[in-house]
Amino acid sequence: DTAVSQTPKYLVTQMGNDKSIKCEQNLGHDTMYWYKQDSKKFLKIMFSYNNKELIINETVPNRFSPKSPDKAHLNLHINSLELGDSAVYFCASSQATSIAVREQFFGPGTRLTVL
Amino acid sequence: GQNIDQPTEMTATEGAIVQINCTYQTSGFNGLFWYQQHAGEAPTFLSYNVLDGLEEKGRFSSFLSRSKGYSYLLLKELQMKDSASYLCAVQGGSYIPTFGRGTSLIVHP
Repeated sequence: DTAVSQTPKYLVTQMGNDKSIKCEQNLGHDTMYWYKQDSKKFLKIMFSYNNKELIINETVPNRFSPKSPDKAHLNLHINSLELGDSAVYFCASSQATSIAVREQFFGPGTRLTVL
Repeated sequence: GQNIDQPTEMTATEGAIVQINCTYQTSGFNGLFWYQQHAGEAPTFLSYNVLDGLEEKGRFSSFLSRSKGYSYLLLKELQMKDSASYLCAVQGGSYIPTFGRGTSLIVHP
């Protein structure tokens, strides 16, 4: 009964390749996110998406693109991978209320290593 | 934009009390979160403050002062398992939480 799941858990690939990370949540939440956590443990927002809008952190290269086939899934596609893309990528979800977004539930993370 | 500042590392003794501070500057404010992250694991939610004052939840309490742009997380009766990173996250006008760099807490016997 995993709340937020990600696959794969580990991803090792060569520079220049294209890869995808999948994320699914079974909490019925309406908002999903992708975060990048670098080697210094800084958790940086990449995307926020609900059924109404996609909010992109303007510092994220356009090689990264989120794809949401439905409300329960938000996949992350990365083109032309670079060494600096090596990090742990976390998917998260939350339920926005009319007042404020509540706590986020995080997936287990995907450790991406680019060689 | 948002700017969030918290100490990089703290150490404390088992059984003691520790206070982890977080100061922030934000355009718009819709709440402040604290998360705990053990090494190699995902962050997990600890607390949420949107009004001034203290919220207590078992051994953990969180305080907020909006006028001062300041929050703290108070951990009582420290246990070894409390060794982790503690992340302060501020939700601004866009309702998207921005995380600080985290405070690594080391609890020793």
